[in-house]
Amino acid sequence: ETGVTQSPTHLIKTRGQQVTLRCSSQSGHNTVSWYQQALGQGPQFIFQYYREEENGRGNFPPRFSGLQFPNYSSELNVNALELDDSALYLCASSLVTGGPQETQYFGPGTRLLVL
Amino acid sequence: LAKTTQPISMDSYEGQEVNITCSHNNIATNDYITWYQQFPSQGPRFIIQGYKTKVTNEVASLFIPADRKSSTLSLPRVSLSDTAVYYCLVGDMVYGGSQGNLIFGKGTKLSVKP
Repeated sequence: ETGVTQSPTHLIKTRGQQVTLRCSSQSGHNTVSWYQQALGQGPQFIFQYYREEENGRGNFPPRFSGLQFPNYSSELNVNALELDDSALYLCASSLVTGGPQETQYFGPGTRLLVL
Repeated sequence: LAKTTQPISMDSYEGQEVNITCSHNNIATNDYITWYQQFPSQGPRFIIQGYKTKVTNEVASLFIPADRKSSTLSLPRVSLSDTAVYYCLVGDMVYGGSQGNLIFGKGTKLSVKP
């Protein structure tokens, strides 16, 4: 069974640029959630994708967008990068069947630095 | 939205039992309680999850009182490798219910000393 993987591991961008982060979900999982974790803080929910559609969104502006592909992998896109976007971006996958709450399993994260 | 409150930090010694309490006064009927462990520069690792009463697995126990306004993570006989940040998560993750309701607490930094 393959765990959640993310790429790249580290990334440096400048303010105003755009970035795309990638996530491969754990084998058998159909849902992907993205989180932003600033230094010293807990992860903050960005959004979740289920069956290629957004299924819930946290308090993040529209310049944070995402995609989920038929193989359940996902991308997080951030436009017009700001200095405060510097953070660890975490992807978590889970299996949603419509029953009780499903456990989310996290990837190692992508460390983004905006200069 | 359910919000959680945890102690910022805790210290313990190897071999002791550690109990970390999380307060979630506004927990909703459909919300589950999940605890994660996180080491520096790594993604959170699932520890345990529950809805009410007591849940136990091979690494921890989770105690949830009848009113569900708090929960306690119990780690038996901690070791140095248990030094990490522990997060309490309250949310409804069933499809159609996770409308931004997944909220991590600020976490409890547990330091285990020899």
